[in-house]
Amino acid sequence: TQLLEQSPQFLSIQEGENLTVYCNSSSVFSSLQWYRQEPGEGPVLLVTVVTGGEVKKLKRLTFQFGDARKDSSLHITAAQTGDTGLYLCADRFTGTASKLTFGTGTRLQVTL
Amino acid sequence: DAGVTQSPTHLIKTRGQQVTLRCSPKSGHDTVSWYQQALGQGPQFIFQYYEEEERQRGNFPDRFSGHQFPNYSSELNVNALLLGDSALYLCASSFWGSGANVLTFGAGSRLTVL
Repeated sequence: TQLLEQSPQFLSIQEGENLTVYCNSSSVFSSLQWYRQEPGEGPVLLVTVVTGGEVKKLKRLTFQFGDARKDSSLHITAAQTGDTGLYLCADRFTGTASKLTFGTGTRLQVTL
Repeated sequence: DAGVTQSPTHLIKTRGQQVTLRCSPKSGHDTVSWYQQALGQGPQFIFQYYEEEERQRGNFPDRFSGHQFPNYSSELNVNALLLGDSALYLCASSFWGSGANVLTFGAGSRLTVL
C-alpha cells in the first residue's frame, strides 16, 4: 500500500513570508497532483505533474517533482491570507484517474 | 454552471443506524467517486460509479454501498454505523470519456456518529 507523507503537518506564518511544503511517497508516483482545500469546501486541483524533474509555476506557487518521481515540493512566495488552507498531494493512477491516493496534508495558516 | 452538489451538509446519527448521502455531479460529468476524509487526514477513496455500476472500490467494508442513477446522480449508504465512520464524505465527479482526468469535488457531507 502506497503511503504519502507530507511535512510539515502544520505551518503558521505571516503574510509576505515564503514557505515550502513537502510530499514523499513510499513508491513511485503514477502522476502527482496538488490540491488545496479551504475550510468547508472540497479539494480544488492546483496542478498535475507527470515527468521526473518537472517544475510548474502557478502565479506565486512553484511545484517541483523529484527526478525519481517519489517526492515533490510546493513553494509559495510572499504568502497571502488567501493561501490559508489544507494542501494535499495525491497520486493519480493511470487508467483509473478517479482513484486518488491522498497524502496526510499540510495545514497552512497565513495571518496579517 | 452548478458544480457538485451534496446533501445533507451536516448530520448526526447514533451507532448502529444507517445513513444515505446524496450527490449531484457537475453538468457534463457522468462519473462519480466517493471519498471519506477523517478529521486531520487526507481523503480516502471509497468507490467509483459509472454507467450505474461500481467500477472501482477502495479498502472499505461492505457496510459501505452506493448507487448511481440514470441522471448520473449518486447515493452513498452506510449501514450499522460505527463511531469511526464520523468523517467528511466527499463526492467528486468527472467525465469518463476524457479519462476522468480532472475531478471536481463537492463541499462534502459531515457525518457525526454518537
